[in-house]
Amino acid sequence: DSGVTQTPKHLITATGQRVTLRCSPRSGDLSVYWYQQSLDQGLQFLIQYYNGEERAKGNILERFSAQQFPDLHSELNLSSLELGDSALYFCASSVAGSWGLGELFFGEGSRLTVL
Amino acid sequence: GQQLNQSPQSMFIQEGEDVSMNCTSSSIFNTWLWYKQDPGEGPVLLIALYKAGELTSNGRLTAQFGITRKDSFLNISASIPSDVGIYFCAGHSGNTGKLIFGQGTTLQVKP
Repeated sequence: DSGVTQTPKHLITATGQRVTLRCSPRSGDLSVYWYQQSLDQGLQFLIQYYNGEERAKGNILERFSAQQFPDLHSELNLSSLELGDSALYFCASSVAGSWGLGELFFGEGSRLTVL
Repeated sequence: GQQLNQSPQSMFIQEGEDVSMNCTSSSIFNTWLWYKQDPGEGPVLLIALYKAGELTSNGRLTAQFGITRKDSFLNISASIPSDVGIYFCAGHSGNTGKLIFGQGTTLQVKP
């Protein structure tokens, strides 16, 4: 158990819909990262928040947005869903603001299926 | 953008055999990391490397940070069935502040 909690574990929805994925980082961790994992793309970095503020951005679509709340939990919002958005979405956390120390703790992921 | 080329894509070996996989990059990284992902789980950090030339072991696992800072390898000695999973390399560049993952090596071990 990494200490990172993600909900829901599984989600099935239709194209055009909007979903919210939730992440609670490890106790004491200030940084939250979101990654997308699809079969043919590996782990793609989406976005990082540190202590409530956006720190780094990856290949995140404009239809996706995220935020980190004062209690440090984070939400990833996916809207106008398309079939290609079906993937595993991972949240990870770390103490530091940068990855310099390298150790990210990953949650078990939220599997999104768009029909 | 930055890309990591990880090879091989998959391996099917006999229990007891040694395994080697590697990652190369077109750009320099400050940190190289190796993660393992079991089915239905998130990736778990195995080894982190912070200096060029560094060689680090974690039990039967050994990893090295290449001198050029553009590559890294992971060796697993005397494989066992629980080594099955997907192994990812990851590189961190201080310039971009992002952790980039390789495509993964799927390892299967035959008892």
